[in-house]
Amino acid sequence: AQRVTQPEKLLSVFKGAPVELKCNYSYSGSPELFWYVQYSRQRLQLLLRHISRESIKGFTADLNKGETSFHLKKPFAQEEDSAMYYCALRTYNNNDMRFGAGTRLTVKP
Amino acid sequence: KAGVTQTPRYLIKTRGQQVTLSCSPISGHRSVSWYQQTPGQGLQFLFEYFSETQRNKGNFPGRFSGRQFSNSRSEMNVSTLELGDSALYLCASSTSFRGNYGYTFGSGTRLTVV
Repeated sequence: AQRVTQPEKLLSVFKGAPVELKCNYSYSGSPELFWYVQYSRQRLQLLLRHISRESIKGFTADLNKGETSFHLKKPFAQEEDSAMYYCALRTYNNNDMRFGAGTRLTVKP
Repeated sequence: KAGVTQTPRYLIKTRGQQVTLSCSPISGHRSVSWYQQTPGQGLQFLFEYFSETQRNKGNFPGRFSGRQFSNSRSEMNVSTLELGDSALYLCASSTSFRGNYGYTFGSGTRLTVV
């Protein structure tokens, strides 16, 4: 079965430090992967999609099929990046979007 | 452009009752998905509708049902409520079936079953 694992429930870094939020998935085919973010008192919103290879708010994520990972990275964290981050997987043989448990990122001043 | 609208925002029901939640997607979005969010289980997929047809269903009992209307608005219904149904129910819409461009989420309906 398709599964998304975010091994860290909590992650804390200082402002200006690099940050990496880990996401591993289990699926043997070609996945569609997403990162969603939820800021305090706001709706869950799409941050980026692997297929578009974009950088949003300084965040990037590279799909590594060999390691079945889609880690989210930012070279210099900002306080406003503090939020809950969810990795999500969609596969061609299963139409629903599976979400990881989420990682709460705190960026300290 | 209005976002995804879910009503009501909060709901308190008694065990055994039934409840109907509503979701109005972004104009032009034909795909609507529903998720249950709880602290213990996280985001769990309930079902997805596209063009009034249920395309996929998650592992929830038959007490959970939904439908989509011709204007893409969707409702989900939970019958014979149990305490464990207390959760935040999120609706998400997308332009395409399968949500290839990602979902736009509503604020959710917080259901409390007492």
